[in-house]
Amino acid sequence: DGGITQSPKYLFRKEGQNVTLSCEQNLNHDAMYWYRQDPGQGLRLIYYSQIVNDFQKGDIAEGYSVSREKKESFPLTVTSAQKNPTAFYLCASSAAAGNTEAFFGQGTRLTVV
Amino acid sequence: RKEVEQDPGPFNVPEGATVAFNCTYSNSASQSFFWYRQDCRKEPKLLMSVYSSGNEDGRFTAQLNRASQYISLLIRDSKLSDSATYLCVVDKRNTGNQFYFGTGTSLTVIP
Repeated sequence: DGGITQSPKYLFRKEGQNVTLSCEQNLNHDAMYWYRQDPGQGLRLIYYSQIVNDFQKGDIAEGYSVSREKKESFPLTVTSAQKNPTAFYLCASSAAAGNTEAFFGQGTRLTVV
Repeated sequence: RKEVEQDPGPFNVPEGATVAFNCTYSNSASQSFFWYRQDCRKEPKLLMSVYSSGNEDGRFTAQLNRASQYISLLIRDSKLSDSATYLCVVDKRNTGNQFYFGTGTSLTVIP
């Protein structure tokens, strides 16, 4: 089955630690995205990548980092510089151009303890 | 100003009712428009794309008004299973696709 997979589903992190969230897709999509969702809020764009080895900051990139070494993979690292990391993180992918929708993974719920 | 704005609701309607949601977007260069549905603690899933001429999918009708920069979603004959949050999404397509989400409108259909 084609799709987009995020892992883990739940993640607990101690304050001051970096943590990496995994996102893999087998839809052959060029573009991938990371969003953050807080309770009762919409999705806010953290980073996006339109092509391998290239990515751009979204609206709330501070305290996060990404890499795009393979077309299928777009991991997100939440660094200790992110002051309020507890949130629901959603990874998405889409074709790079054209009138096409974004497909989402099931999300990772990160809690700082 | 936010890229996409929605009334957060909540909308509480009885089964069988018709309910409409509106959404406005700020960038007149936006090119693609969508409605997504998000169930509690789940990922968003595409409900329908929104085309310039308007489009219908069963009980759901989407409209786009480019002049006024707003998008609407009409749900007829509401079912209990329609209870969810509905997200308005706009694709700016500056350099490739770039999706912007509204905060969502919460709908509860009551028996």
